[in-house]
Amino acid sequence: AQSVTQLDSHVSVSEGTPVLLRCNYSSSYSPSLFWYVQHPNKGLQLLLKYTSAATLVKGINGFEAEFKKSETSFHLTKPSAHMSDAAEYFCAVSGSTGGGNKLTFGTGTQLKVEL
Amino acid sequence: GAVVSQHPSRVICKSGTSVKIECRSLDFQATTMFWYRQFPKQSLMLMATSNEGSKATYEQGVEKDKFLINHASLTLSTLTVTSAHPEDSSFYICSARTDRGGYGYTFGSGTRLTVV
Repeated sequence: AQSVTQLDSHVSVSEGTPVLLRCNYSSSYSPSLFWYVQHPNKGLQLLLKYTSAATLVKGINGFEAEFKKSETSFHLTKPSAHMSDAAEYFCAVSGSTGGGNKLTFGTGTQLKVEL
Repeated sequence: GAVVSQHPSRVICKSGTSVKIECRSLDFQATTMFWYRQFPKQSLMLMATSNEGSKATYEQGVEKDKFLINHASLTLSTLTVTSAHPEDSSFYICSARTDRGGYGYTFGSGTRLTVV
């Protein structure tokens, strides 16, 4: 079985300050990990993904995440928040489980960016 | 990159009627598509996996006769909500597996269904 835990349901930062959105995973197999962003009433946009290559993954819009197997974590970071980053963020895991390559999502983190 | 088009983006229907949602892969062939349901302020819950040319695989607790999935071609999967009721009101999102640009998933823009 696979699962993802997003430790914070809400994160609030000031514009220009760093962003940290936390994600821990559980998987019986070597996982693929993803971060998606969702704006209201929109689909999901891929920010970045880890698929067993480099452990530090750079994504779009200045986001990056580091895969840490020892900590089973895949936290999302950005050095400087922008107002346009305010959205819902989902961490997801996919692995070669008996259920096929299904994506399992975390419960999401709402990022608020204040002036 | 890989693009998935989902229509309609919004639909309002009366109780007891059926609604069809389409999901198309525009520039790639999608042998597998996924259908999700998302309640307000909540995460995405996988409803079913749609396989081209075969029956969909439904997740536990999802009514097969209620949510009919058809994946008749490599570029089109449809979800039909039959005999809709207000409790079916939700945000439905489709996704397709793609290997373009590396292994990953591409999502449609979602459909907001409101049953009145």
